[in-house]
Amino acid sequence: DTAVSQTPKYLVTQMGNDKSIKCEQNLGHDTMYWYKQDSKKFLKIMFSYNNKELIINETVPNRFSPKSPDKAHLNLHINSLELGDSAVYFCASSQEGAGKKLFFGSGTQLSVL
Amino acid sequence: AQSVTQLGSHVSVSEGALVLLRCNYSSSVPPYLFWYVQYPNQGLQLLLKYTTGATLVKGINGFEAEFKKSETSFHLTKPSAHMSDAAEYFCAVTTGGYQKVTFGTGTKLQVIP
Repeated sequence: DTAVSQTPKYLVTQMGNDKSIKCEQNLGHDTMYWYKQDSKKFLKIMFSYNNKELIINETVPNRFSPKSPDKAHLNLHINSLELGDSAVYFCASSQEGAGKKLFFGSGTQLSVL
Repeated sequence: AQSVTQLGSHVSVSEGALVLLRCNYSSSVPPYLFWYVQYPNQGLQLLLKYTTGATLVKGINGFEAEFKKSETSFHLTKPSAHMSDAAEYFCAVTTGGYQKVTFGTGTKLQVIP
């Protein structure tokens, strides 16, 4: 029973396409995140939601739009995909508050051709 | 602002030898510090964390880390490396309520038989 699950695991697409990545957590956490890991393994936060409200929005192109239909789900929609969007995208969740452990999904490897 | 510096992007140790992975942080307020491990094609898993209290923190798989405020360090150690410890290790810091976790650039640990 996976705690944080994201789909798809692999996503290969052409430049200019629109794609979505879905994330669900069954831990009852209030806070969910999207992280981007580049080819050098550098991990950077993109967004954070707490109880369906956007809390953190880093300097991310507005082609990226997160959506949280309920606190157990945080999806990521990407418009007009570019080569530079190729990366591994991780969803994570945690209890509310500082110093809480992050639970990560297994990642979605996005390849834009 | 908060930041993390991991010294050494690659570390090689012999099986049975001491593992030492270095992490220095910068924070204007008392930090919460973490070590996460990432195995190939997986998400990150928490090894250990420091919030308050005892500065020597023990984690899973025999790892421990010591918070040294005077040195702004949180180095990760393990007395005896196992082959299964080969992975990427990330140090991370956060300070805020709705936590924005900042990750270091990672250290790839290689264990030589």
